[in-house]
Amino acid sequence: GENVEQHPSTLSVQEGDSAVIKCTYSDSASNYFPWYKQELGKRPQLIIDIRSNVGEKKDQRIAVTLNKTAKHFSLHITETQPEDSAVYFCAPGSSNTGKLIFGQGTTLQVKP
Amino acid sequence: GAVVSQHPSRVICKSGTSVKIECRSLDFQATTMFWYRQFPKQSLMLMATSNEGSKATYEQGVEKDKFLINHASLTLSTLTVTSAHPEDSSFYICSALHIQGIGEQFFGPGTRLTVL
Repeated sequence: GENVEQHPSTLSVQEGDSAVIKCTYSDSASNYFPWYKQELGKRPQLIIDIRSNVGEKKDQRIAVTLNKTAKHFSLHITETQPEDSAVYFCAPGSSNTGKLIFGQGTTLQVKP
Repeated sequence: GAVVSQHPSRVICKSGTSVKIECRSLDFQATTMFWYRQFPKQSLMLMATSNEGSKATYEQGVEKDKFLINHASLTLSTLTVTSAHPEDSSFYICSALHIQGIGEQFFGPGTRLTVL
């Protein structure tokens, strides 16, 4: 089955700095690569996703880069704000089955 | 659009009882829904894939007789935790795949189950 690893497990940055979280996966059939943000006790929220035919996607302060050959994709948050503090999950999956396999999560703390 | 609801949001029950959790897609049809379990400070673990009109597919290590899943319509899937025990206490989250979707899952708000 799919093996997903996410690094780092915790990340603390100063407000305004950038944050990068990396996700590696094992299943070469994966073709859908989303990142979710989850606040305590809440549902995961999709913040950005990318499909296997694209190498990079950007949405304002958030970007995702994909290296399908190396089987990893990364979340980039620029100009971080305290409200970015949350747990972030990568969840590579297949658009054929719809299944997502979640990484272990990264707790991001943005200090004011 | 693409709203998913869950009911109840929170439930406390005695050990040995069964609990049913409903997952509904409110404004779209979903042939496929997923059930996840999340323990405190851990990730979401996929329990099973629920397909409308057919038997659910369970992930390795998930007991299908313990966690009964029914997907009777294109907008409703239910998860029943049978003979619940304290170790079943967790946050259960469902998600739905839009019938015309190509990957994005829409998540419900979750159900906090506490078994005494």
